[in-house]
Amino acid sequence: GESVGLHLPTLSVQEGDNSIINCAYSNSASDYFIWYKQESGKGPQFIIDIRSNMDKRQGQRVTVLLNKTVKHLSLQIAATQPGDSAVYFCAENPGGSNYKLTFGKGTLLTVNP
Amino acid sequence: DAGITQSPRHKVTETGTPVTLRCHQTENHRYMYWYRQDPGHGLRLIHYSYGVKDTDKGEVSDGYSVSRSKTEDFLLTLESATSSQTSVYFCAIRTGGTDNEQFFGPGTRLTVL
Repeated sequence: GESVGLHLPTLSVQEGDNSIINCAYSNSASDYFIWYKQESGKGPQFIIDIRSNMDKRQGQRVTVLLNKTVKHLSLQIAATQPGDSAVYFCAENPGGSNYKLTFGKGTLLTVNP
Repeated sequence: DAGITQSPRHKVTETGTPVTLRCHQTENHRYMYWYRQDPGHGLRLIHYSYGVKDTDKGEVSDGYSVSRSKTEDFLLTLESATSSQTSVYFCAIRTGGTDNEQFFGPGTRLTVL
């Protein structure tokens, strides 16, 4: 697959543990945030999103936390599985009428069986 | 995959040749985007479209042009490919509604020799 994981921060966890992946965003005016998962050789896959008027949102096995005071976003994955191994990155919408997103560089999550 | 296909999936070309990448969607969405993904840079926006014949530049548009003559197709052209344009190219669509989520195609790996 494509070698997009080079030079990324990495997180290694044991199967069954919880994972926390962090993201610092840059624009205090951003009003919408998305987490994506990218497996080797594939396109980014939408996981979960959150609007700036919320500080927490839960999905299936995933939770996103937003701290606007320090411009920080985190993705929590419960009971991490080998299939969760991938690059995870956040995206922010800094506003504007054409819905452009700004993407972080990502974190490589490795789940050890 | 939100009905997005990209073609070709892989291409090797020589410096100075023209290259056109195609993004096709089946769901009639208004907004489409072209990104490139390189190690250490994350996803960067090349061009985007907000309707038929309505396009605009992103942050790394030099050396690229786009066209959208019908809703379902968004073409990215490298008029004279250079080695610095070796990358993985992703197309994305915005599915509308009140949020800004973008869904990605499977990508095209382009190598310019």
